[in-house]
This record gives sequence, structure tokens and C-alpha cells, in this order.
Amino acid sequence: DAGITQSPRYKITETGRQVTLMCHQTWSHSYMFWYRQDLGHGLRLIYYSAAADITDKGEVPDGYVVSRSKTENFPLTLESATRSQTSVYFCASIRQGADTQYFGPGTRLTVL
Amino acid sequence: DQQVKQNSPSLSVQEGRISILNCDYTNSMFDYFLWYKKYPAEGPTFLISISSIKDKNEDGRFTVFLNKSAKHLSLHIVPSQPGDSAVYFCAASARTSGTYKYIFGTGTRLKVLA
Repeated sequence: DAGITQSPRYKITETGRQVTLMCHQTWSHSYMFWYRQDLGHGLRLIYYSAAADITDKGEVPDGYVVSRSKTENFPLTLESATRSQTSVYFCASIRQGADTQYFGPGTRLTVL
Repeated sequence: DQQVKQNSPSLSVQEGRISILNCDYTNSMFDYFLWYKKYPAEGPTFLISISSIKDKNEDGRFTVFLNKSAKHLSLHIVPSQPGDSAVYFCAASARTSGTYKYIFGTGTRLKVLA
């Protein structure tokens, strides 16, 4: 089915471990985004990408790394996970010239 | 610095009545505003949008009002239905500057009572 998917949906890891969250979209949208949702903070932009090999920081990029070698994939890596990175992570995409973003179902990450 | 604020964390409304959700912003460069709806364990879904060249946009039971001078927008849901119970986020962007970055508010949890 066409759409935007995230994997895994749930992840438990330990402090200091590297974790990669995957995001895949089938629309060939040029723009992709990573957000985290935390109580009291709403959705905060971590990183975004305007096209393959073009990425830029959002509001809260520290501790995260992204890459975009292919248009359809936008993985988010926590190089050394910390408890403060426990959150729900959402990936989104938008076609250039369009108005609205489409969001994936989210990944709930717990860092122990 | 919170550029987009939703000062009411929660709202309860009786079924059939009007729900009014509010959003304030501080950045005068914002020129495009959206409302998203989010159910538990799902990603946000687009609800309605408004450009700064308008002061009102309507789609069925949902109407968004924009007051640029006050830097305030509101979402009206009439009549409210139990299925409208969700968290609502407003978001803003500076589209004329060529960015697709959206800044989201903290969300308002709406509960529609049957």
C-alpha cells in the first residue's frame, strides 16, 4: 500500500546504545521530516530534508543524526541514546508545492 | 521560545455544542497555518488550513479563523461529535520565505461528551 511507514513501532533500548528509526514513503515526496512528541512540548522538529542528500537541523537536533541517500527513506539515528530521548517519534513527508504534511504512525522509543 | 502556543491543554464540550480551540503565534513571518488532529497511537492527520491572505476558511463542520493583527487563530467545530475527541495541534510556517518547516503548538485535548 502507498503511504508512509515507520519501523519499529516500539523500541526499548539502554542508555549509550545506538538506535536507528526507519521511515519510508512511497509517494516520492521531496520533503521529509522527523518530529518528537513529548508531553507539554507538542511536536518538535528534529531534522528535515528537502531532497536526497540535503538535510538541515530543526528545533532539537542535538544527539540525532540523519541521512537521506534515497528519496523514499529518511532514517533517524540516536548515536548514544539518553533517557531524555525517550519519546514518540513521527516521520512526515510533503510534496513540493503542496500544503500539508502526511505523518507516519509513530515509533515509541523508551531509553532505560 | 515557543513561537506557537496553545494555552489550553484540554477542553470538554457537550455533544452538539460548539468547540473552540485557540492558538497564538509570535512570529510575524508566519503566513500559513494548519490544524492537525491526532488520535492515540496514530500519527497526526491534516484537518484544515488557512493562508494569511484570508481570515476564514470553512470545511464542513470545521472553520478556522485568523486574526493577523492579534496573531491569533481559532478552530471552530460545529456541531461537536464524540468522534471529534482527540488532540488538536495548530502549526505555522513561513511559506513565502520558501520553507516547508512547520512549528507546532503543544496541543489541546478535546473531549466531546455524549
